[in-house]
Amino acid sequence: AQSVTQLDSQVPVFEEAPVELRCNYSSSVSVYLFWYVQYPNQGLQLLLKYLSGSTLVKGINGFEAEFNKSQTSFHLRKPSVHISDTAEYFCAVKKKSSGDKLTFGTGTRLAVRP
Amino acid sequence: DAGVTQSPTHLIKTRGQQVTLRCSPKSGHDTVSWYQQALGQGPQFIFQYYEEEERQRGNFPDRFSGHQFPNYSSELNVNALLLGDSALYLCASSMPGQGTHEQYFGPGTRLTVT
Repeated sequence: AQSVTQLDSQVPVFEEAPVELRCNYSSSVSVYLFWYVQYPNQGLQLLLKYLSGSTLVKGINGFEAEFNKSQTSFHLRKPSVHISDTAEYFCAVKKKSSGDKLTFGTGTRLAVRP
Repeated sequence: DAGVTQSPTHLIKTRGQQVTLRCSPKSGHDTVSWYQQALGQGPQFIFQYYEEEERQRGNFPDRFSGHQFPNYSSELNVNALLLGDSALYLCASSMPGQGTHEQYFGPGTRLTVT
């Protein structure tokens, strides 16, 4: 079985500061990795994904993430955040072998302050 | 192109009642997955439908059942509602054959059980 740990439940940050949201996963098989964002009262929107190839992946809204296989991590970063980035961020994994089932972490609330 | 749509937006039910939630997938998608997101938690996989059959199931009791129609839309049914069933129910659609491994989420149905 897979599991995802998001180490920070909340991350407060000032506008235009850099941010890193941490994600670690555990799996006995190879997985694909995803970051989703959820704005208040909305569904989830895909920010970025890692399937294969370069371990640094770039997504929408200026976000990027780096896959580290040895540390089983997939941390999300943004060099300069905006007020509009305030949202809940979820890391998720999916087994490469079969099916579409996503396993999510518990989420990190990013609160951007002016 | 309409994305994933869900109805109703909100629903209030009493313990012991039954509820049906509906989902229309993104155009061209043939696979529908359902997730339950309790307050302050990440989404939990309920089940997935493909070709009108349940293909995968998460750790949910038989009170949770579903259906997929020939036009790929789907229903989630929950019988004998419990207070703990109160949550945001998310539908996600995908096209596994495309190889993108992306799931598109709807805005969700907020179910409150009193």
